[in-house]
Amino acid sequence: DVKVTQSSRYLVKRTGEKVFLECVQDMDHENMFWYRQDPGLGLRLIYFSYDVKMKEKGDIPEGYSVSREKKERFSLILESASTNQTSMYLCASGWTANTEAFFGQGTRLTVV
Amino acid sequence: ELKVEQNPLFLSMQEGKNYTIYCNYSTTSDRLYWYRQDPGKSLESLFVLLSNGAVKQEGRLMASLDTKARLSTLHITAAVHDLSATYFCAVDFGNEKLTFGTGTRLTIIP
Repeated sequence: DVKVTQSSRYLVKRTGEKVFLECVQDMDHENMFWYRQDPGLGLRLIYFSYDVKMKEKGDIPEGYSVSREKKERFSLILESASTNQTSMYLCASGWTANTEAFFGQGTRLTVV
Repeated sequence: ELKVEQNPLFLSMQEGKNYTIYCNYSTTSDRLYWYRQDPGKSLESLFVLLSNGAVKQEGRLMASLDTKARLSTLHITAAVHDLSATYFCAVDFGNEKLTFGTGTRLTIIP
């Protein structure tokens, strides 16, 4: 079974803090993705990576950065957390032209 | 603009009834995915549709893809309570991303 593991299920951070969300996959996938999910807005792509040290902006990259130093790990960084970044964050890996993406369990981040 | 629209957004249906969720998308694609999300949980892959006319079935769920109409449907037959969840479609527009619909929250009532 493919496993995508996010480091935290729930996180509470203060405004202005630097926040790291970690994601690890165990299937040697080249592609990894970070989405955020908000009610009524579905899933929106923040960043994705198709190889180690490679990254591409998604639809809503502002306020975020990413790091992919190893193939299995893709980190999402909130440089200075703000309350409008309170959301559910979902990591995914896989997804080539013929297969689906596999999702982690999600991190519910609250910024106070 | 690349858009994926689902309807309805919310759906309450009685056990035993049939219903269909629709997924429309804005421009050419022949790759579409359906996911299920239970409350507080992550997304689970249901179907992968990779060509015009593709039809996949699993239990009481059947998904189809009409690329000419830019439409996919998820049909529920004789609904049961454990199908209550939010269902998402996602489209590959060939831009190295998956674009998701807003989701359909399905509630099955006795």
